[in-house]
Amino acid sequence: QKEVEQDPGPLSVPEGAIVSLNCTYSNSAFQYFMWYRQYSRKGPELLMYTYSSGNKEDGRFTAQVDKSSKYISLFIRDSQPSDSATYLCAMRTQNQGGKLIFGQGTELSVKP
Amino acid sequence: KAGVTQTPRYLIKTRGQQVTLSCSPISGHRSVSWYQQTPGQGLQFLFEYFSETQRNKGNFPGRFSGRQFSNSRSEMNVSTLELGDSALYLCASSGQTTGTGANVLTFGAGSRLTVL
Repeated sequence: QKEVEQDPGPLSVPEGAIVSLNCTYSNSAFQYFMWYRQYSRKGPELLMYTYSSGNKEDGRFTAQVDKSSKYISLFIRDSQPSDSATYLCAMRTQNQGGKLIFGQGTELSVKP
Repeated sequence: KAGVTQTPRYLIKTRGQQVTLSCSPISGHRSVSWYQQTPGQGLQFLFEYFSETQRNKGNFPGRFSGRQFSNSRSEMNVSTLELGDSALYLCASSGQTTGTGANVLTFGAGSRLTVL
C-alpha cells in the first residue's frame, strides 16, 4: 500500500463547476501538505501549502487538511479551461528536507 | 528571477549506456532535490543535496547517483541504463537552509529520458 493515495481520474467537469480533489495518507508523522499543478510537458508548480490541520484559501482555491482522518482536499471554485492539468498532492514530515511523498496525481479536464 | 533550469530537456539512450543530467537551481538556493516521474509510479524522490552533501536519499539502486558543486548546480547520473529508467527526471530547488520546517520546492521542467 502506498503512503499517499490519490484517485488518478481522469476527471472531466464543465466550466464553472466546483472541483474536489482528495488524497488519503497513512503516515501520521506528515506535517506539511502541498498541492502542485502540472501542465503537460512542464514541471509541477506549487499551488497551495498547509502546515498541520486546517483550511487555507487563495483565490478560487481552498486546501483542507484533516489529520485525524488522514485526509486532504483541494477545492477549485468556478473552474476554468485553463485549470485543466494534473493535480498532485504531496506531503512531508518535519525533518525530511526536500523529500516529498507524492500522490499519483489526478488528471483534470475542464470543458468550455 | 530565473527558475530552475534542467538540461538536456530530451534525450534518447540505449540499454547499458549511462546518462548525466544537469540542474541549475534558483539563484541563492542551496538545496537541490531530484525526482523520477513515471506513469506507473508517479513522482518518486531520488536524493537531495545541500552544500555539496547528500542530505536525503530515496529507495533507488546504486546505479542512480548525484553530486552538487560549490555553486549549487547539481548533476545526476544513471549508469547501466535499463528500459525501466525511461522517465521524466525532475530537479527542484529550495531556499531552506535546514531540513526541518517549511521547505517549499520549486521544480524545473524536467529532462525526459527514453531508453531503447
